[in-house]
Amino acid sequence: GAVVSQHPSWVICKSGTSVKIECRSLDFQATTMFWYRQFPKQSLMLMATSNEGSKATYEQGVEKDKFLINHASLTLSTLTVTSAHPEDSSFYICSARALDSSSYEQYFGPGTRLTVT
Amino acid sequence: QKEVEQNSGPLSVPEGAIASLNCTYSDRGSQSFFWYRQYSGKSPELIMSIYSNGDKEDGRFTAQLNKASQYVSLLIRDSQPSDSATYLCADDSGGGADGLTFGKGTHLIIQP
Repeated sequence: GAVVSQHPSWVICKSGTSVKIECRSLDFQATTMFWYRQFPKQSLMLMATSNEGSKATYEQGVEKDKFLINHASLTLSTLTVTSAHPEDSSFYICSARALDSSSYEQYFGPGTRLTVT
Repeated sequence: QKEVEQNSGPLSVPEGAIASLNCTYSDRGSQSFFWYRQYSGKSPELIMSIYSNGDKEDGRFTAQLNKASQYVSLLIRDSQPSDSATYLCADDSGGGADGLTFGKGTHLIIQP
């Protein structure tokens, strides 16, 4: 149980284009989904918190107009990187917390490696 | 600003020995703590969660929490080469509503 999927697993795009990444909880409903970013040799940094049906909350320094998050259902959240630049190249990982969970555990997706050329 | 501190290592441990990983956190309000294992190029995998002072054991893993000292540790008994990975300590000071604050991770190498 508690499986989170991401699609695509890797993507290469040209500078200036947009890329959408999907995060799905496969066997549970998620009240909250989180988006993290990890640069090489660094730890995960939280980008935003996404709740179903409401606007995402972005961490300080993360541009909400550049990283568009939509949490359309209890099993799906999407992150769109708009007008991507080479410095946006990173490993993007989502996580989800179960709706009926009494614990605070978050389950991570396999990640999406984005390369902007 | 919330911080989680870990020694980046590498920490080298002989196969079969006990690996000891440590972590300190800055937010006294944090109640929930997690250890994740991350292999190179992969996403983190949850190993243990701990919410109360003391020890929590799960198989070869034991997590220890001392809230007074703001200290969390992970012991891995009978270390195996497959345990070689980066171990991330994280805390959740938002009661589940906020994302996790991660340490930079400790790179563990188990020597056969």
